[in-house]
Amino acid sequence: DQQVKQNSPSLSVQEGRISILNCDYTNSMFDYFLWYKKYPAEGPTFLISISSIKDKNEDGRFTVFLNKSAKHLSLHIVPSQPGDSAVYFCAAISSGTYKYIFGTGTRLKVLA
Amino acid sequence: NAGVTQTPKFQVLKTGQSMTLQCAQDMNHEYMSWYRQDPGMGLRLIHYSVGAGITDQGEVPNGYNVSRSTTEDFPLRLLSAAPSQTSVYFCASSYRDGRDTEAFFGQGTRLTVV
Repeated sequence: DQQVKQNSPSLSVQEGRISILNCDYTNSMFDYFLWYKKYPAEGPTFLISISSIKDKNEDGRFTVFLNKSAKHLSLHIVPSQPGDSAVYFCAAISSGTYKYIFGTGTRLKVLA
Repeated sequence: NAGVTQTPKFQVLKTGQSMTLQCAQDMNHEYMSWYRQDPGMGLRLIHYSVGAGITDQGEVPNGYNVSRSTTEDFPLRLLSAAPSQTSVYFCASSYRDGRDTEAFFGQGTRLTVV
């Protein structure tokens, strides 16, 4: 039973265009969502997060949108840069807990 | 500030051997966890701890043991290595402050069981 799903294993985008990475979840108890970025041979690093009481959070080129009724979140990267090429994981956590549940990841390739 | 330190970075084991993957954090976080990353499977939780002396199982705990005697250290033990345990292992520590939370990951240990 996969509670957090990233249905696109890979995505290719031209440099300067928008990258949109999607994530769906099934557990309505999740109250905080995070995106992590992972380069080869490195550990995942935190990118951006959003609380369930918000529907949007921005940090520079990165924006996360949350649609609670659809149990869907997305990460927008504008403009995309070659250095953004990495695997992106979404993660969710329930209120009062410490357990992160991760999706399977989406490999983003930004073409120069 | 080192963050989360994992050792070793690489390891090759023979089937049936045992070993311990080390993890240490210097951020005084209560919560620590171990994940394995396999192609197409994302990051799957093996074991976690919410404080010294307290551990619990995650999604894929079989074949692994953990203990948490100090806040800083959270070692992962493979009791009798199997080829199915070939994977990349990540240790993480995190905080929770109301709704706010973030997990910090180590660099990973690439384990091959032959």
